[in-house]
Amino acid sequence: AQSVTQPDIHITVSEGASLELRCNYSYGATPYLFWYVQSPGQGLQLLLKYFSGDTLVQGIKGFEAEFKRSQSSFNLRKPSVHWSDAAEYFCAVGAGTYKYIFGTGTRLKVLA
Amino acid sequence: GAGVSQSPSNKVTEKGKDVELRCDPISGHTALYWYRQSLGQGLEFLIYFQGNSAPDKSGLPSDRFSAERTGGSVSTLTIQRTQQEDSAVYLCASSPPGQPQHFGDGTRLSIL
Repeated sequence: AQSVTQPDIHITVSEGASLELRCNYSYGATPYLFWYVQSPGQGLQLLLKYFSGDTLVQGIKGFEAEFKRSQSSFNLRKPSVHWSDAAEYFCAVGAGTYKYIFGTGTRLKVLA
Repeated sequence: GAGVSQSPSNKVTEKGKDVELRCDPISGHTALYWYRQSLGQGLEFLIYFQGNSAPDKSGLPSDRFSAERTGGSVSTLTIQRTQQEDSAVYLCASSPPGQPQHFGDGTRLSIL
């Protein structure tokens, strides 16, 4: 069955430190992959997406993610975290023409 | 407006009452999705509309849940005889075909 796993429920980093949020997926075909961010009381905002081509994709707010087919992973990274990055992050896989499967999210806390 | 608009932003109601949640998608977006987000959970797919095609209702958790989309634009999610387990944030998203979704800020539903 198709699934998305975000193994870290909570992550705490210091401001200025680097960040990596993990995402693993299970999907039989080449997936469409997404990362979204959700601030409290708001909907989800798209950070970046992978459809095909270069496996390292750049997104908004200085985020990037790398698609590794051999590891079925699509980890999100940022070299230097800002306090405003504190939020919940969701990985999603496009499972078919319109179905999307979301992970359970990783809540990021940033220490000043 | 420029984004997906959902109303009300918050709804508190008594168990057993019916509720209607509204979603105004981005103009021109033919695809519309409803999701349910429970505390500590990912996004649970409820229903998908695409243009004039029959909707995919496979995610609706029970026959108390129904949704309509009038004129290919505004959508209403109706929950009849609400139960406490229906308490959640209900998110609506829209997109052009095959493109990433744009989310509204959600309706936070609380059942007393």
